[in-house]
Amino acid sequence: SQKIEQNSEALNIQEGKTATLTCNYTNYSPAYLQWYRQDPGRGPVFLLLIRENEKEKRKERLKVTFDTTLKQSLFHITASQPADSATYLCASPPDSSASKIIFGSGTRLSIRP
Amino acid sequence: DGGITQSPKYLFRKEGQNVTLSCEQNLNHDAMYWYRQDPGQGLRLIYYSQIVNDFQKGDIAEGYSVSREKKESFPLTVTSAQKNPTAFYLCASTTGQENSPLHFGNGTRLTVT
Repeated sequence: SQKIEQNSEALNIQEGKTATLTCNYTNYSPAYLQWYRQDPGRGPVFLLLIRENEKEKRKERLKVTFDTTLKQSLFHITASQPADSATYLCASPPDSSASKIIFGSGTRLSIRP
Repeated sequence: DGGITQSPKYLFRKEGQNVTLSCEQNLNHDAMYWYRQDPGQGLRLIYYSQIVNDFQKGDIAEGYSVSREKKESFPLTVTSAQKNPTAFYLCASTTGQENSPLHFGNGTRLTVT
């Protein structure tokens, strides 16, 4: 079955460094991948989308890459700040219908001052 | 402001009782979704609806039911048949067009004892 997997271990990094989170998919080829941020007790908030024919997308300090050969998307936060601490989720449609959206388990990011 | 409203924020029920979670959106979105989130896990899809009076089962629909009588509303009933109903429930909506992001409510935390 189609799966999206994220490293479930928390990522702890020093303020100012670049945080890199990984999203791997298996048994399908997503037309696009989305990245969301979720704070405790809140609903996820959409951050970025990258299509299968795009290698890279940027928005301010955020950068997403999409490698269809490795079946992987990387999410980078440069010049990280304590306010970036949250859980980050990747999501995609598991098939061409695009109406169903599945999520990875999320990676919790902690930025220490 | 447009958005998705989930109510209540916290809900407590006794085992064996059915309970209905409310989800209302004023974004004029066609598609709506229900996800369940357990501690340390990602979002699992319960049901989704692309249009009024139509809905499809997600990956974990057993023990749940939904209705979509109005475009703005997509209530979720957690029935007594759901074996582990205690969880954080998230409702989302989207325009239904390809690539469009999900907009989430802030969730309902259901505790069944």
